[in-house]
This record gives sequence, C-alpha cells and structure tokens, in this order.
Amino acid sequence: DAGITQSPRHKVTETGTPVTLRCHQTENHRYMYWYRQDPGHGLRLIHYSYGVKDTDKGEVSDGYSVSRSKTEDFLLTLESATSSQTSVYFCAISQRGVTTDTQYFGPGTRLTVL
Amino acid sequence: AQSVAQPEDQVNVAEGNPLTVKCTYSVSGNPYLFWYVQYPNRGLQFLLKYITGDNLVKGSYGFEAEFNKSQTSFHLKKPSALVSDSALYFCAVRDPTGGYSTLTFGKGTMLLVSP
Repeated sequence: DAGITQSPRHKVTETGTPVTLRCHQTENHRYMYWYRQDPGHGLRLIHYSYGVKDTDKGEVSDGYSVSRSKTEDFLLTLESATSSQTSVYFCAISQRGVTTDTQYFGPGTRLTVL
Repeated sequence: AQSVAQPEDQVNVAEGNPLTVKCTYSVSGNPYLFWYVQYPNRGLQFLLKYITGDNLVKGSYGFEAEFNKSQTSFHLKKPSALVSDSALYFCAVRDPTGGYSTLTFGKGTMLLVSP
C-alpha cells in the first residue's frame, strides 16, 4: 500500500466522543488526503494537506478537523463523533499535487460510531 | 464542477470473456482520468490514468481504458476476465483548468467474474 499506514485499522466508539485517526507515510510526499467511503457514494474528500501546517477543506469537511505537524503524519479528528460518521476512512498521498499526479491509498480504517 | 458517473452498480462476466466497466465524466476543460481497483478489505490500488496522447491507455493486470472525448467516456476493458479480477472498480476525474483541483470519484462498480 505504497508506504502508507493507517491506525487504528478498526475502531468502535460511542456518540459524542472524540476520535483521532492517524495516517503515516514513508514516501516523503508533499500532499496527503483524507477520504471517507460509503456505499452508494464512492469516495468523498474530507480534507487535504499540501504541506506541513497547510490544509484545506474537501467536499464533506463538517465535523472533522485535521492537523499536519510533520511531513509524514496527517491526523484526522472527529471532534464529537456521530453515527453518520460511521464509515471507512482512507488516507492517500501524492508526490507533487499537480493535476497529473496519481494518488496512492492506505489500507483504510473502519470506524463504527454507536 | 467536475463529476463522474459509473452507470452500472454491478457487472457480471464469465471467466475468459471480455469485460467492460463503464465511466462517463463531466468537466469544463480537458479531463485527467483515473481507474482504481479495490479488493475486499483493502485500500484502492491505482490501475491506469489518461493525461494526454493516445486514447488507449494500458495499465496494470492487463487492463486498458479507452478515452473518447466526443462521448465523454473512459471505459475500462480487459480482453479476457479472470476470477481474481472480481473487485470494486472506481473511475475518477480531475479538471486541470483553473488551478489545483482534487479528484472526484464515481460511486464504484462491482465486477463479478464467474468461473
């Protein structure tokens, strides 16, 4: 999976609790992304980062925040988890962020919010 | 705004037969197009992409895709399907005009290859 790890791989939590998902890359790529995958919706972009401390919102960013203090780590936080955030979360990386770039994906984190 | 459609939720094909997974797109400029495959409980794996040039793009695992600008399509094809090709396939598009833009994915098509 292209030098990308995600942790945890599975998590069950309760409504209202904060949750942080971690994406770690060993490729030294500049761009990192968080997506969620839901049946019937494909993948939807939550947030992305174009460098350390540089982040921007994606299509479905409400209820999520991100941080990137090091090139290799990109954290996704659900500040107060809701059942609608039950999903599979994927991290992706790309080298330069130019439009011809290919994104490579991590193995995913399955999150269940009860 | 850019968008991509995969009109079939599922495609069924017998092993050894040719397969096609359909994708159509909508962008304001010339598109950059991508195909990914997802095996059960795995992340997405890159198969191929079209940026410019030859309309027939060859990718991993014997897959190829044909870019058709007049029909705004980018269908994924393989001459002879394998059972191991059974997976979820995603088409994605990026509009390169107007600065940096993110990838937009289709909803996915499940390919089932029967022995």
